[in-house]
Amino acid sequence: SQQGEEDPQALSIQEGENATMNCSYKTSINNLQWYRQNSGRGLVHLILIRSNEREKHSGRLRVTLDTSKKSSSLLITASRAADTASYFCATDRSSNYKLTFGKGTLLTVNP
Amino acid sequence: DAGVIQSPRHEVTEMGQEVTLRCKPISGHDYLFWYRQTMMRGLELLIYFNNNVPIDDSGMPEDRFSAKMPNASFSTLKIQPSEPRDSAVYFCASSGGGGLNQPQHFGDGTRLSIL
Repeated sequence: SQQGEEDPQALSIQEGENATMNCSYKTSINNLQWYRQNSGRGLVHLILIRSNEREKHSGRLRVTLDTSKKSSSLLITASRAADTASYFCATDRSSNYKLTFGKGTLLTVNP
Repeated sequence: DAGVIQSPRHEVTEMGQEVTLRCKPISGHDYLFWYRQTMMRGLELLIYFNNNVPIDDSGMPEDRFSAKMPNASFSTLKIQPSEPRDSAVYFCASSGGGGLNQPQHFGDGTRLSIL
């Protein structure tokens, strides 16, 4: 079964708006990562947040982690058409460190 | 710097044929991963290597699948014989420095179609 599951499955917004994607997971983790995948390309690592961190920023990206709720969110501020992609969360299991990817959120940013 | 390089980018072949996918990881990375991506099942880890040694192949679906890493700069994933249900995008990824759960760098994948 999937360790991480993203919500929503698809999100469509206008350029300039903020986009929020959520990830829920089932077991204890060491870290959680977010990746982006453009159509026809491989995944690109965006940000890693450790289990003892609550929030992390990178440019227009803001990631939060709530280990008590086993959930994370990815916020993209001031979205651009170039942000159109699928976004995946990946979690490791504290027992074996292997990464497991969710099925992703497809974000469409309309110009 | 060159990223992870996969070849071929596309492969179309008939059922029963042998398929070989190739990967060149980023120089200096000590972990190499093979994934399969489908709409139904998402991204699945098939096998990973550490320092050229296969560590966990529990994701390999059947004995028809095999993977090798003869040296630090090259890995192959082979399917023999291939079946239509093997159609998917296969990704290779590598990571280095700090362990199994560090950020991974992905190639652009091989889109495999088995007719």
